Amino acid sequence: KNEVEQSPQNLTAQEGEFITINCSYSVGISALHWLQQHPGGGIVSLFMLSSGKKKHGRLIATINIQEKHSSLHITASHPRDSAVYICAVFEYGNKLVFGAGTILRVKS
Amino acid sequence: DTAVSQTPKYLVTQMGNDKSIKCEQNLGHDTMYWYKQDSKKFLKIMFSYNNKELIINETVPNRFSPKSPDKAHLNLHINSLELGDSAVYFCASSQDFSGEQFFGPGTRLTVL
Repeated sequence: KNEVEQSPQNLTAQEGEFITINCSYSVGISALHWLQQHPGGGIVSLFMLSSGKKKHGRLIATINIQEKHSSLHITASHPRDSAVYICAVFEYGNKLVFGAGTILRVKS
Repeated sequence: DTAVSQTPKYLVTQMGNDKSIKCEQNLGHDTMYWYKQDSKKFLKIMFSYNNKELIINETVPNRFSPKSPDKAHLNLHINSLELGDSAVYFCASSQDFSGEQFFGPGTRLTVL
């Protein structure tokens, strides 16, 4: 079992829908990252958070340290949001451990 | 101006060959990383360097040898390439060891 579990693995949404991607982890962490991998392969860091909530445009990330859970929300989804979303946790003093990713497809 | 660059973008080679992938960052970061993304798109760390010193060396075959000539560069040399080495290799950098990471565009290695 991977230390970082994401759900769902695949998600198809209609344009405009509110989307939630979940991430659960089993190790102690100092921070959690949400990454986006474009269809072309490039990886972009969306958020790094260790507590609470962060918002950037239509993207919101939350983390609950006690429950070892984080969510990534996309409001008013758009076809250009179609990508793989990857949760990664930074283990204390160690390394980034990645989830398997969630493949999101937003249809117009 | 590209923040983290890798060369080459594509690399096709025969089994048994030796090849290198270069990575450079112009962000002034202290920490650099190499990740491997397999055919199932799963990312895994291979190496991490901080100020030119090796910090993380995951269970990677010793055919893989990273080299950091200075803080801005982290190159990956692979000896005696095998079919299973085919993957996309990403370089990344961060200001410090737990900071936000910036990824290079990736190098798709295909071993025939």
